[in-house]
Amino acid sequence: GAVVSQHPSWVICKSGTSVKIECRSLDFQATTMFWYRQFPKQSLMLMATSNEGSKATYEQGVEKDKFLINHASLTLSTLTVTSAHPEDSSFYICSARVTGGSNQPQHFGDGTRLSIL
Amino acid sequence: TQLLEQSPQFLSIQEGENLTVYCNSSSVFSSLQWYRQEPGEGPVLLVTVVTGGEVKKLKRLTFQFGDARKDSSLHITAAQPGDTGLYLCAGMNYGGSQGNLIFGKGTKLSVKP
Repeated sequence: GAVVSQHPSWVICKSGTSVKIECRSLDFQATTMFWYRQFPKQSLMLMATSNEGSKATYEQGVEKDKFLINHASLTLSTLTVTSAHPEDSSFYICSARVTGGSNQPQHFGDGTRLSIL
Repeated sequence: TQLLEQSPQFLSIQEGENLTVYCNSSSVFSSLQWYRQEPGEGPVLLVTVVTGGEVKKLKRLTFQFGDARKDSSLHITAAQPGDTGLYLCAGMNYGGSQGNLIFGKGTKLSVKP
């Protein structure tokens, strides 16, 4: 089956540090990838939609300069949390949609738990 | 803005009991997906329903899509401790510019032995 690899799975760093999270589709091409944020005991909240070769589309209230997204290839999207602060601590999850249209299935990574001290 | 109301948010039952989780919206969706998520992991797709009135079965799990494609339900028969987890419904509109999923708030199920 389709596999999405997310790395790292867990990161702890000091306030002010920038953190990069990678999302890779291992055995399929994904023109579109999605980045979600999930707080404890809550559902997934879409942060942004990442399209290969173009600028990401951010949801209302998500700072694009804070959460930098790069989708340089059909198998890799990265999310960089710049100058992270404790309030950025959360569980970040990516999903990758199989290239071929919006009705193609999305496959999720295992998430990255980010803890900012 | 499309919203999906999922209920109940929390459910604690004994092994062997049946349960139903509901997902409702005032909007029509092209498809609706159900996921299960374990702590510290990403959601795993259980099923996708596309046709109004569609019923799909996955062992003891029965999924139904409403005739108008605005609501869905997940029924678990004879729940087992291994069913414990967070169940999420998510709707999608194929015609949207991005085709992104809209998630419900989730149902945290706990099945006690």
